[in-house]
This record gives sequence, structure tokens and C-alpha cells, in this order.
Amino acid sequence: GAVVSQHPSWVICKSGTSVKIECRSLDFQATTMFWYRQFPKQSLMLMATSNEGSKATYEQGVEKDKFLINHASLTLSTLTVTSAHPEDSSFYICSARDRGQGREKLFFGSGTQLSVL
Amino acid sequence: GQQLNQSPQSMFIQEGEDVSMNCTSSSIFNTWLWYKQEPGEGPVLLIALYKAGELTSNGRLTAQFGITRKDSFLNISASIPSDVGIYFCAGQGEAGATNKLIFGTGTLLAVQP
Repeated sequence: GAVVSQHPSWVICKSGTSVKIECRSLDFQATTMFWYRQFPKQSLMLMATSNEGSKATYEQGVEKDKFLINHASLTLSTLTVTSAHPEDSSFYICSARDRGQGREKLFFGSGTQLSVL
Repeated sequence: GQQLNQSPQSMFIQEGEDVSMNCTSSSIFNTWLWYKQEPGEGPVLLIALYKAGELTSNGRLTAQFGITRKDSFLNISASIPSDVGIYFCAGQGEAGATNKLIFGTGTLLAVQP
């Protein structure tokens, strides 16, 4: 199956700093990528849709100035958590849509555990 | 954000038993997907369903796309310890939001050897 690489796997940072998470599609081009957040023992909640070459679309309640998304190429989307605070600590997961398989299939990265001290 | 209703919330079974879980929605979806997530990992796709009424198998896993397009179930036969994890259903293609994947609340499966 298609491979989506997410980096870093985990990050610990001080409150007030910014953290960048990368999501790469390794063997296919992804015009659309999605960013999810998952709190412990909860489901994945969609944060935003990242579109190559255009602005991201954010879900209701997600601050676009706090969660900056850049989708500069067909294989890379980045999520930057700006001025992170402890309440931003969560498991962040990206996914990429592989149209090449003839069906709308989404493949997920392995996630990034963010801990803000 | 929106979530799909998934049940049961958790299951604790003996190795060899069959398992069934389901997912319901108030909205119609064009695609139903089932994922498995292990601790500290992203979800891994198990089965994808694209047509109402479709019944698809993947080894010991069988899933069906409900006729009403508002529900789906996943069965696991003859469970083994490595089936342990959290299973999520996901619907895609809700009217007006064709790209979005909406997840269920998850079913935690524990299998005792």
C-alpha cells in the first residue's frame, strides 16, 4: 500500500515555542492531505484539509493562525503549532489521498506525539 | 467536530472468539472504511467499502456497507492476540464534503490468549 511518512514521531517542547510537523507521501503524489488531532482514548478529529498550492481549509473551532499549514509540493505538507501551550499536547496525525489507486483511499502517517511543558 | 456512533465501546474476549462491531450515522456516506490503530501509531486501513450492500472480506475480517448508506459493520472471526487494538470506522463522501473522512468513536478490542 501507499506510504505516508510523518516526522518527528514525538517532540517535547517548552510552552511558547513553535513546532513543525512534516507529512510526506513517499510513493504517490497527494494534492490533498489532512491533519487530525487525537486526544488520549478519543477518536481522530479532523483539524484541516491541506491543498497543494492553495490555502488550507480549517474545521470549525480550529485556529488557523495557531495551526499553520503549508502544502508547498505534491508530496509534502507541514503543520506548525505556533506558540504551543500545554493544552496543545496531543497526538497529531496526517493523511494523504492517493487518487492513483482508482479509488478514494486515504493513507495515514504514524503520528506525532506532541508534549508541551 | 462530527463523529460517527460506534459500538461497542470496548470488548474483552477470549482468543478464538468471533467479534462484531458496528457504526451508524445520521448522514449518508458514499464510502465506508475500517481502520485499526495500535498505540502510538496512525490508523491502518483494513477494509474499504464503496457500494451500498457491498460485503467485503480481508482474511478473517468481513465488513458490510449498509443498504441505507448510514451504517456499516465489521466482523473478525477466530480472534487472535495480535487483533488487539482500537478499531475505527470512517465515512467519506458526506453530501457537501466529499473529501472529508469522519471517524467513529472507536472500539477497543482486547483478546486474552
